[in-house]
Amino acid sequence: EAGVTQSPTHLIKTRGQQATLRCSPISGHTSVYWYQQALGLGLQFLLWYDEGEERNRGNFPPRFSGRQFPNYSSELNVNALELEDSALYLCASSYRRNQPQHFGDGTRLSIL
Amino acid sequence: RKEVEQDPGPFNVPEGATVAFNCTYSNSASQSFFWYRQDCRKEPKLLMSVYSSGNEDGRFTAQLNRASQYISLLIRDSKLSDSATYLCVVNGPSNTGKLIFGQGTTLQVKP
Repeated sequence: EAGVTQSPTHLIKTRGQQATLRCSPISGHTSVYWYQQALGLGLQFLLWYDEGEERNRGNFPPRFSGRQFPNYSSELNVNALELEDSALYLCASSYRRNQPQHFGDGTRLSIL
Repeated sequence: RKEVEQDPGPFNVPEGATVAFNCTYSNSASQSFFWYRQDCRKEPKLLMSVYSSGNEDGRFTAQLNRASQYISLLIRDSKLSDSATYLCVVNGPSNTGKLIFGQGTTLQVKP
């Protein structure tokens, strides 16, 4: 069974640009979650999508947004990139809410 | 007070040792509890869920004390490959979908 897949692995952008990160959940999982892990810090919850709808978002500004497609894959968009957005962005999926979440390898976003 | 608190360590132990990690959580309404393992600059990987009755998976034993809001992980017969950061994880408030991660406890197993 394929795990959660994320692309790209690495992404280098400059301040003010926009970034798009992609995630495919484990087959059969309908919930997709996004987390940010800045260097040396813990994982911070960003967004939760379930059945195509945004169900919850963490304490991040509106320039962090995303969507979930009919096939349950998801996209995270970050607009007007700032230096402090440099981090590892992790996507996770679960079969149902409150079930264990399984993580992809992450996208490492670097802002120059 | 942090929602999930762990001793960051590091814990330096010899191969074969038994080591225990503890974690406390602040939300008494939490229903789901997990231990994840994270290797340097890699994604977290689910180690085990934690149940009220306690559960064991090979050399790993997890315990939950709801009254004290306390979770533990015991690793017996430590291997070099157990060296990693262990994350205590609790589900957020009902219907938020989010997991709340502790900062992690670093384990270094020495030969």
